[in-house]
Amino acid sequence: EAQVTQNPRYLITVTGKKLTVTCSQNMNHEYMSWYRQDPGLGLRQIYYSMNVEVTDKGDVPEGYKVSRKEKRNFPLILESPSPNQTSLYFCASTGLSEGGAFFGQGTRLTVV
Amino acid sequence: AQSVSQHNHHVILSEAASLELGCNYSYGGTVNLFWYVQYPGQHLQLLLKYFSGDPLVKGIKGFEAEFIKSKFSFNLRKPSVQWSDTAEYFCAVNRPGGGSYIPTFGRGTSLIVHP
Repeated sequence: EAQVTQNPRYLITVTGKKLTVTCSQNMNHEYMSWYRQDPGLGLRQIYYSMNVEVTDKGDVPEGYKVSRKEKRNFPLILESPSPNQTSLYFCASTGLSEGGAFFGQGTRLTVV
Repeated sequence: AQSVSQHNHHVILSEAASLELGCNYSYGGTVNLFWYVQYPGQHLQLLLKYFSGDPLVKGIKGFEAEFIKSKFSFNLRKPSVQWSDTAEYFCAVNRPGGGSYIPTFGRGTSLIVHP
């Protein structure tokens, strides 16, 4: 079954404690991306990747890092989380043929 | 910068009413257009997409959308909504001509359908 898997689904952490949200896809897609969803703001793109070792900033990259060492994985790293990064995060992958994006189930992050 | 505008932020309808949600994008060239739906507590799912050809596209669950190139618009329609259509709807655009298949999203429209 085609899917994008994010972990964890829920996370509560404290300010400054480094965390990683993992994302993995099993469709051999070239493109992967991270979004955060906040009420009234829709989905805002954080980072994206067009292929292995190729990443670029989206609209709201401050405070985040990503890596793409393997085609299937695209982790999101928060080196020093702050309360304004409390949000719902989605990972997505897109193939050249499908065009449309497949989304993970989301990670609800709370930074206290 | 890429921009996708959804005109209605909140829509409240009664069952059997007709629905039209507006979407405009701000740049020219070749684009792919999408509508996604997010049911409460769930992730986004693709409703329909337009790449080329017939500008009227049919999606799942009775939804359709019309691409009007001259107006840079891709409005979503459904003739008769149901309570189960209560969800958030997102318009999205990517630009394969620009080498990017990464979608840019509008802010979303929250639809509430009363039984």
